[in-house]
Amino acid sequence: NAGVTQTPKFRILKIGQSMTLQCAQDMNHNYMYWYRQDPGMGLKLIYYSVGAGITDKGEVPNGYNVSRSTTEDFPLRLELAAPSQTSVYFCASSRGGGYAGNTIYFGEGSWLTVV
Amino acid sequence: GENVEQHPSTLSVQEGDSAVIKCTYSDSASNYFPWYKQELGKRPQLIIDIRSNVGEKKDQRIAVTLNKTAKHFSLHITETQPEDSAVYFCAAGPRTGNQFYFGTGTSLTVIP
Repeated sequence: NAGVTQTPKFRILKIGQSMTLQCAQDMNHNYMYWYRQDPGMGLKLIYYSVGAGITDKGEVPNGYNVSRSTTEDFPLRLELAAPSQTSVYFCASSRGGGYAGNTIYFGEGSWLTVV
Repeated sequence: GENVEQHPSTLSVQEGDSAVIKCTYSDSASNYFPWYKQELGKRPQLIIDIRSNVGEKKDQRIAVTLNKTAKHFSLHITETQPEDSAVYFCAAGPRTGNQFYFGTGTSLTVIP
């Protein structure tokens, strides 16, 4: 049982490039999330999904896209990378939404630098 | 939507002293309040949580208290140790919500 697995762990992008952060969970969780964490800052929700085929915007969705074709996978696409997207990205999952008993499990994080 | 505020943003304590981190929330419908610990370079992990029908919960040296009337909840760490040094996040979950709303984090440093 690997939990939440995200790749790559580190990546340097040039301005204007695009890339996809991969995320997979093996806990059969319905809910999946992408957060970004800027240095010394809190967690900001980019996108989330409540099930396969359903995605919704979070607090900071601009510059990103997601898809959820299966329960297990929730990739995050960065289009036209900008220096402001330099951050640590965490994928996470939970059995249900933000109510009692639904612990969020985080991946190990992906460190992205845009130069 | 829900708004969670967390204070202080940084906290330094001597080893063995207690540490208290406070959070307030705005949505009276929130009924679940977890706390996450994030060690340097690591992922956030759940350390304790409390539901709205409970006023206090303890787990060894950590405890969480909830005041629903005032809409605030607090994390208490007693007999702090250097390994307690980390960033702590509070969060709130509305009864019918799809999201968890996180506070901005508190960086705790325990000085040996």
